[in-house]
Amino acid sequence: KQEVTQIPAALSVPEGENLVLNCSFTDSAIYNLQWFRQDPGKGLTSLLLIQSSQREQTSGRLNASLDKSSGRSTLYIAASQPGDSATYLCAVWMNNDMRFGAGTRLTVKP
Amino acid sequence: SQTIHQWPATLVQPVGSPLSLECTVEGTSNPNLYWYRQAAGRGLQLLFYSVGIGQISSEVPQNLSASRPQDRQFILSSKKLLLSDSGFYLCAHGTPYGYTFGSGTRLTVV
Repeated sequence: KQEVTQIPAALSVPEGENLVLNCSFTDSAIYNLQWFRQDPGKGLTSLLLIQSSQREQTSGRLNASLDKSSGRSTLYIAASQPGDSATYLCAVWMNNDMRFGAGTRLTVKP
Repeated sequence: SQTIHQWPATLVQPVGSPLSLECTVEGTSNPNLYWYRQAAGRGLQLLFYSVGIGQISSEVPQNLSASRPQDRQFILSSKKLLLSDSGFYLCAHGTPYGYTFGSGTRLTVV
């Protein structure tokens, strides 16, 4: 059974810092990995999608990497801003559904 | 691109009352549809998924049921709500190329 773990559970940083969020999964037979952002009380917004054949994806200040063989992904956020404060979830797709980590709650202090 | 519509946005229901949450999809045909629940401060739990009309797979035994009466319609129901059914319910459309979520329904059972 696929288990997805995100570390740390919560993170607080001052504005301007670069930071890394970690995601690990137990079964490497995935089709893709997706990072989402969730603001309090809201639905999930897709940030980056990495297909299993890819190593990384970039969008603006965000960079996500995937090491399928070791079951790990990282989300790198450059020059963090208070507007980046949210919960970040990673999820892996396999066998017709997606399994989620519990998320990392990020707070960026002005 | 596909759009997921969920309603209502918030719902307060007494224990023992019935429930019906509706999800509809635009912009795609024969979608894979999913219902997730997110309890306060916790990750997303897959409740049901459907790969076609009348086809429902249940992930966990619970007080809820799902139906897929039309290709782009997915309904989550309960005959008698429990306090433990409170949570944030999200509908999603998923493919190996990524997931798209609705905006969610906040259900409070009192």
